Amino acid sequence: RKEVEQDPGPFNVPEGATVAFNCTYSNSASQSFFWYRQDCRKEPKLLMSVYSSGNEDGRFTAQLNRASQYISLLIRDSKLSDSATYLCVVNYPDSSYKLIFGSGTRLLVRP
Amino acid sequence: DGGITQSPKYLFRKEGQNVTLSCEQNLNHDAMYWYRQDPGQGLRLIYYSQIVNDFQKGDIAEGYSVSREKKESFPLTVTSAQKNPTAFYLCASSSRTSGRASYNEQFFGPGTRLTVL
Repeated sequence: RKEVEQDPGPFNVPEGATVAFNCTYSNSASQSFFWYRQDCRKEPKLLMSVYSSGNEDGRFTAQLNRASQYISLLIRDSKLSDSATYLCVVNYPDSSYKLIFGSGTRLLVRP
Repeated sequence: DGGITQSPKYLFRKEGQNVTLSCEQNLNHDAMYWYRQDPGQGLRLIYYSQIVNDFQKGDIAEGYSVSREKKESFPLTVTSAQKNPTAFYLCASSSRTSGRASYNEQFFGPGTRLTVL
């Protein structure tokens, strides 16, 4: 089993749609969780950290479910510019410095 | 402007050659990292360094070497022992900042695409 698993997609949605991604992680001792966005042939960029209480940043909402070991990302009112690959990231249980990156979920927003 | 720079953007290497990828940051971050990304795959950790003059192997360190003589710089050498070096190489850094933001959020440079001819 992969340490961080994501549906590779692609998720193909119209502008204005709401789309949700889930990610599961294998080690219950992980403490830090993030969503990164990666555009084609570019570096990953931090989208948001994920906190136990859940957090929202504009059209983006992240949730953490420790009991089921999954993280979700909800994007409301999708824009064309949201088209990218979204990476789910958790820390290595034995090190807060080291991060494990999922392979990503690809989102395509069409006009 | 604070940030992370990597050079070169594209690099071509002949088989049997060693090449060194540059990574510099002016964010005053303590920790720096090197990752490799292959098409359709996630990032894999090569080496990381928490402080100057110290570094640890990641998951795929074989065929690579690093140094951390200065806080700002963390160069990666891809040696001839690395059998499949063609990939996208990403350098990142993180800080031990306090506050709600997790201190291990990592920020990336623009990457170097290495191709072996």
